[in-house]
Amino acid sequence: DAGITQSPRHKVTETGTPVTLRCHQTENHRYMYWYRQDPGHGLRLIHYSYGVKDTDKGEVSDGYSVSRSKTEDFLLTLESATSSQTSVYFCAIRDGRRTYEQYFGPGTRLTVT
Amino acid sequence: QQQVKQSPQSLIVQKGGIPIINCAYENTAFDYFPWYQQFPGKGPALLIAIRPDVSEKKEGRFTISFNKSAKQFSLHIMDSQPGDSATYFCAASKNTDKLIFGTGTRLQVFP
Repeated sequence: DAGITQSPRHKVTETGTPVTLRCHQTENHRYMYWYRQDPGHGLRLIHYSYGVKDTDKGEVSDGYSVSRSKTEDFLLTLESATSSQTSVYFCAIRDGRRTYEQYFGPGTRLTVT
Repeated sequence: QQQVKQSPQSLIVQKGGIPIINCAYENTAFDYFPWYQQFPGKGPALLIAIRPDVSEKKEGRFTISFNKSAKQFSLHIMDSQPGDSATYFCAASKNTDKLIFGTGTRLQVFP
């Protein structure tokens, strides 16, 4: 999985609780992305980062926030989890020098009850 | 909005067959078209990608055909094997930016 780890790999939480997912890379890539994967929707971009402290919104950013204080770590936070955020979350990285290829982590399965 | 439409949703072929998965896009500014392969419980893995300046690209048993005028591209898997059974996603992006994914095709290859 291209030097990408995600933690936790599985999490069950209750509606209304905050949740933070972590993506860690060892590739020193500039770009990092958070996607969610749901049946019938493919993968949809939540937020992305183009450098330390530089982030921007994706297609489905409502209810999510992100932070990147170090090159290697990109955190996704659900401030108050809802059942509609039950999904599989994938982190991806891209080397700005190899402009196009994105490589994905193993994913985190989140269930909000 | 669905900017990349993928079909079929599922596909069943016999070993040795040539499954074909199709994608259509709307935004003519897209300039990068990758295909990803995903096995259950794993993250998507980049399989092959094409830029719009070529009409075909082959890597091993996998071929992308690209039709710029029709705004369509497709994945062909030659001599398919049971190990190719997976979900395949097409995607598109412009200017090295955010990827827009299709909804996926579940391929089953039977011995």
